[in-house]
Formats: sequence, structure tokens, C-alpha cells
Amino acid sequence: SQTIHQWPATLVQPVGSPLSLECTVEGTSNPNLYWYRQAAGRGLQLLFYSVGIGQISSEVPQNLSASRPQDRQFILSSKKLLLSDSGFYLCAWSRTGRTGELFFGEGSRLTVL
Amino acid sequence: RKEVEQDPGPFNVPEGATVAFNCTYSNSASQSFFWYRQDCRKEPKLLMSVYSSGNEDGRFTAQLNRASQYISLLIRDSKLSDSATYLCVVNGVEGSARQLTFGSGTQLTVLP
Repeated sequence: SQTIHQWPATLVQPVGSPLSLECTVEGTSNPNLYWYRQAAGRGLQLLFYSVGIGQISSEVPQNLSASRPQDRQFILSSKKLLLSDSGFYLCAWSRTGRTGELFFGEGSRLTVL
Repeated sequence: RKEVEQDPGPFNVPEGATVAFNCTYSNSASQSFFWYRQDCRKEPKLLMSVYSSGNEDGRFTAQLNRASQYISLLIRDSKLSDSATYLCVVNGVEGSARQLTFGSGTQLTVLP
């Protein structure tokens, strides 16, 4: 069966510090991979998605970046965090052509102080 | 108008009750529809896809009304464990991640 894991689960970071969130998927190959952010009381916002190694599409201009160094690994990064980067970050995967059927990781709760 | 709108609730219902949520969408060309469930401070989980003819999974029934541009979720015989936020998701173009829009969710609390 397929599994997805992301870490760390909780982060408290000062403004201006770097960020790295990691996500890995097991049990499937060539998944579509996504990073979403969820702010309190709001819908999920798509940040990045990837259909293959090294292929990243950015949806929202911001100080975040994503990379996919391996087929089942997706990394979300920032060089300098802003207060507005606080939120619940979710990694997800889907099968090709089944973009509505997402399987999410456990989430990473980021607080920027 | 928001692309996907849901009544945020909260809906507070007693155990055993039947409860229904609606979700409206603005893009008439939307092609696929889903309901997700999200427990407090957890990740969303796919509950069910919504088919044109309507579909049922145990106590849960999902329906699509293309003419009025809404989908619905009906929960029969509510259980305490049904307490969660229910997210409506609409896909504008199949296979396009950027066309996937999440509603803000409807909060349900089932009371003993």
C-alpha cells in the first residue's frame, strides 16, 4: 500500500530563518506531488506541484521554493521566513490523471515569530 | 463570488440525526467533485468522489446538481466519530492540479 510522510510535524522559527520541510511517498512510482498551505478558516492553497523529477510548477509568488530531487521526494524550502509564512503545510500525492484524489501527509505546523 | 463556497457552520446535531451540507461552485465547466473530511489539526482525507448520477457509501450520500451548480453530502444516522470539518473540492479540468479548488469547509459536531 501507499504511504506518505512529511516532517517535521511542528516548527517554531524566527523571522528571517531558513525552512526545510520534507515529504516522501512509498509504494507508488511517478506520483504527482503537491505542497499546500492551509490558513485558519480558509481553504487549502496550492503552493507547488510536480509531475516528475526536477519539474516544479509554482502557483503563488512568494519566498518559498520547492524541489523534487527524487521520484518520491518533495521538499519545501525558504531562505528567509516571513511572519506571513505561518500556517499548516500539507504535502500530498495523486496518481497521474487523478488530481482530485489526493492523499495527504500528516502536515507540518509552522509558526514564525 | 468565491469559486467554491460552503456554509462554515458549525452544525451541531444529536447522534442518530441526518445532516446535509451543500457546496456551490462558480465554474460551470467544472468536471469532477469530491468531499474530504478533516479532523481537527489533522490532514484532509478523501471521503468520496461525487458522480453525476449520485453515489452512496454506507451512511454517506453525495449528489451533484449541475444545473444549479452545487454538490451535497448527506450523512444518515450520525455518529460521534463523524464530528469533523467537511471540505468540498471542485476540479475545473481533469488532470490539472491548478484547477483544483478547495472550499473552506463545514464544521460538524455530533453530540451525545
